[in-house]
Amino acid sequence: EPEVTQTPSHQVTQMGQEVILRCVPISNHLYFYWYRQILGQKVEFLVSFYNNEISEKSEIFDDQFSVERPDGSNFTLKIRSTKLEDSAMYFCASAGGGVSNQPQHFGDGTRLSIL
Amino acid sequence: GESVGLHLPTLSVQEGDNSIINCAYSNSASDYFIWYKQESGKGPQFIIDIRSNMDKRQGQRVTVLLNKTVKHLSLQIAATQPGDSAVYFCAEIPEYGNKLVFGAGTILRVKS
Repeated sequence: EPEVTQTPSHQVTQMGQEVILRCVPISNHLYFYWYRQILGQKVEFLVSFYNNEISEKSEIFDDQFSVERPDGSNFTLKIRSTKLEDSAMYFCASAGGGVSNQPQHFGDGTRLSIL
Repeated sequence: GESVGLHLPTLSVQEGDNSIINCAYSNSASDYFIWYKQESGKGPQFIIDIRSNMDKRQGQRVTVLLNKTVKHLSLQIAATQPGDSAVYFCAEIPEYGNKLVFGAGTILRVKS
């Protein structure tokens, strides 16, 4: 069964450094997402991406965050200058296209630890 | 500072019994709902979905019920197995847009 894959599984970074989280969505999907989950809390939406542009973003997704689909298979989340509060699990998800909503399928996440 | 985690409700069931996990959603304009299962160290795993024009949908061993009048969603798991132990989240998609809004989650523990 096709799946969303994320790398690395764990990233440890010094505060103030840039970090790039990588995702390979399911190959025929058209919608791509990033969510995060702070330890013990709800999964929170960050950004959605369709047709090579951001379609929606949350208040969390400020100027320090950016997303890119550099080629036909990868989808990346960059945090420009990390803060302690960016420590969380980051999940990538993808969904197929179509007239109505399709279920979003998630990767197993990248645990980001900011020191 | 240190984050304070949510105190998730826990449902403990005996192996073989049926489980019912409940969720109250917030937006009366939401028109698509999904149940996810999350095991430790893994991402949310799709279980079943339902659109707002339906009130019941069945899958393999799972049933989702939607009551739009009281904004309530439930997940029924038949013949619960130890492998069903996980945190279960309901999620909704508001009428416009396609972001998922997750509920707080329920821990399901299956006793053998």
